[in-house]
Amino acid sequence: AQSVAQPEDQVNVAEGNPLTVKCTYSVSGNPYLFWYVQYPNRGLQFLLKYITGDNLVKGSYGFEAEFNKSQTSFHLKKPSALVSDSALYFCAVRKDSNYQLIWGAGTKLIIKP
Amino acid sequence: DAGVIQSPRHEVTEMGQEVTLRCKPISGHDYLFWYRQTMMRGLELLIYFNNNVPIDDSGMPEDRFSAKMPNASFSTLKIQPSEPRDSAVYFCASSYSSGQPQHFGDGTRLSIL
Repeated sequence: AQSVAQPEDQVNVAEGNPLTVKCTYSVSGNPYLFWYVQYPNRGLQFLLKYITGDNLVKGSYGFEAEFNKSQTSFHLKKPSALVSDSALYFCAVRKDSNYQLIWGAGTKLIIKP
Repeated sequence: DAGVIQSPRHEVTEMGQEVTLRCKPISGHDYLFWYRQTMMRGLELLIYFNNNVPIDDSGMPEDRFSAKMPNASFSTLKIQPSEPRDSAVYFCASSYSSGQPQHFGDGTRLSIL
């Protein structure tokens, strides 16, 4: 079965410290992987994607993610967190058989000043 | 560029009433998705369209839910009759081709009393 797991409901990081939001996936074939961010009372916003190529993908707002095929992971990272990064983050993978995205449950990121 | 536009932003109605949610996708996008987000169940795909044709409606919870896309620039999600358990935030998203990111509207917060 194809799935996405975000093992942490919440991640707390001090401002200025590096952050990591974890995502692992299970999908047949080559995965299309995405990260989205959701701010309160807003829709999800696209951050970055991996389809092929370089395993390190750079996206919006200074975020990056590393695709690791052997560990089936696609963790979101940022070298120095900002208070404004506090939001809900979703990992998603495209199903092989059609064009739907399978979504993780979301991780609440809290950056403390 | 105008993003995905949803209306209304908020809807409060009594159970048994008909509810119609509206979505205008981004011009040129040929995929349109309807999602529901709740604390308990997270983000659920209800139905998606390709070139105005419904492709997969397996996520539609019951016959009370129906969705249409009469043309490339407009879609509706209808609930009739509505029930309190339908209370959620409903998102519409659109994308250009399957491998491209989905762009979300800011959602309709629906409360059924």
